[in-house]
Amino acid sequence: GIQVEQSPPDLILQEGANSTLRCNFSDSVNNLQWFHQNPWGQLINLFYIPSGTKQNGRLSATTVATERYSLLYISSSQTTDSGVYFCAVGVNSGGYQKVTFGIGTKLQVIP
Amino acid sequence: GAVVSQHPSRVICKSGTSVKIECRSLDFQATTMFWYRQFPKQSLMLMATSNEGSKATYEQGVEKDKFLINHASLTLSTLTVTSAHPEDSSFYICSAKTSGGKTQYFGPGTRLLVL
Repeated sequence: GIQVEQSPPDLILQEGANSTLRCNFSDSVNNLQWFHQNPWGQLINLFYIPSGTKQNGRLSATTVATERYSLLYISSSQTTDSGVYFCAVGVNSGGYQKVTFGIGTKLQVIP
Repeated sequence: GAVVSQHPSRVICKSGTSVKIECRSLDFQATTMFWYRQFPKQSLMLMATSNEGSKATYEQGVEKDKFLINHASLTLSTLTVTSAHPEDSSFYICSAKTSGGKTQYFGPGTRLLVL
């Protein structure tokens, strides 16, 4: 099956700093999503981004499908950004999309 | 739009009991729902795929008699963990797909602790 790698595995930031999280995948995909899992476990969808660039406030994401990677940018980080960020890729299989998650990047933003 | 809810959000039970988790699509009809499991400090792993009105398809290594899935309507799927044991303690997340669509919308998850 498809392999999804995320880097770095862990990241500690000072509040206000910027960061880039990376997701590499081993095969062509039909969809790509970025999620934030907060410390209470709730999974929040940040972006559906199979290609191109999207921005939402301090967050933006870019997926270069031809080169099989996606980047998530966090600017002016806040303590509430702490948690685990997952990249998940979707591959069409029959009538639905099979989603494979990466291992995640654990982000800790310190005041 | 495309909101998925789960109930309960967290549950604690004694070993040997059964626990039912509900997954609902609130504003769309979901012909297909998916159940994932996440162990501490690990990623989400697909357990099974359920289609409305038919039997669920389980991933390799997932016991279908232990994790009973029912998808009786277009807005509700249930996962029942039968005779739960401490090793079943985990975070269970469902997702749902709209009819004709391919994108999955994820619920907030249910944290199960078996004592």
